[in-house]
Amino acid sequence: GAVVSQHPSWVICKSGTSVKIECRSLDFQATTMFWYRQFPKQSLMLMATSNEGSKATYEQGVEKDKFLINHASLTLSTLTVTSAHPEDSSFYICSARAGQVNEKLFFGSGTQLSVL
Amino acid sequence: AQTVTQSQPEMSVQEAETVTLSCTYDTSESDYYLFWYKQPPSRQMILVIRQEAYKQQNATENRFSVNFQKAAKSFSLKISDSQLGDAAMYFCAYAGSARQLTFGSGTQLTVLP
Repeated sequence: GAVVSQHPSWVICKSGTSVKIECRSLDFQATTMFWYRQFPKQSLMLMATSNEGSKATYEQGVEKDKFLINHASLTLSTLTVTSAHPEDSSFYICSARAGQVNEKLFFGSGTQLSVL
Repeated sequence: AQTVTQSQPEMSVQEAETVTLSCTYDTSESDYYLFWYKQPPSRQMILVIRQEAYKQQNATENRFSVNFQKAAKSFSLKISDSQLGDAAMYFCAYAGSARQLTFGSGTQLTVLP
């Protein structure tokens, strides 16, 4: 099956620094990528939807200036957590969709962010 | 807005037995997809099974099958011959015209040896 690579798997950073998370579709072109946030023992909450070459669409309550999303190519989307604070500590997951069909949706392995 | 409800936070099943996980959803759309995802301790999201709303036949994948009741907006997952490796968090998810997944709150499944 299709592979979505997400890096890093985990990152620890100091409060006030920025962290970039990459999501790559390795063997298909992803027209749309999604970014989720998951707190322990909770569900996945959609943060934003990114389409290649256009601005990301953020869900209500998600600060677009804090969570910068770039989808510059059909195989790469990045999420940058700017000026990270301890409350940004969470598990972040990306998913990539091939084409317009939801059945072809693949998930990255996630990134655990810990902000000290 | 669409909502997905999983009313069972935790379930347990004896190895080799059958268990059913419940899911209901609310939508005004007629064309959509429903999914069950498994999230083991590794936290990798794994697709278990999917159902197209326009198909009346219930989807099956080996030991996994669904009971899709469109009128009742119900989409339960049946796991037969449960195995220790089935232990995980299971999420029901909906995807409609917005083409993005809405997840339920999850059911933590424990398989007892």
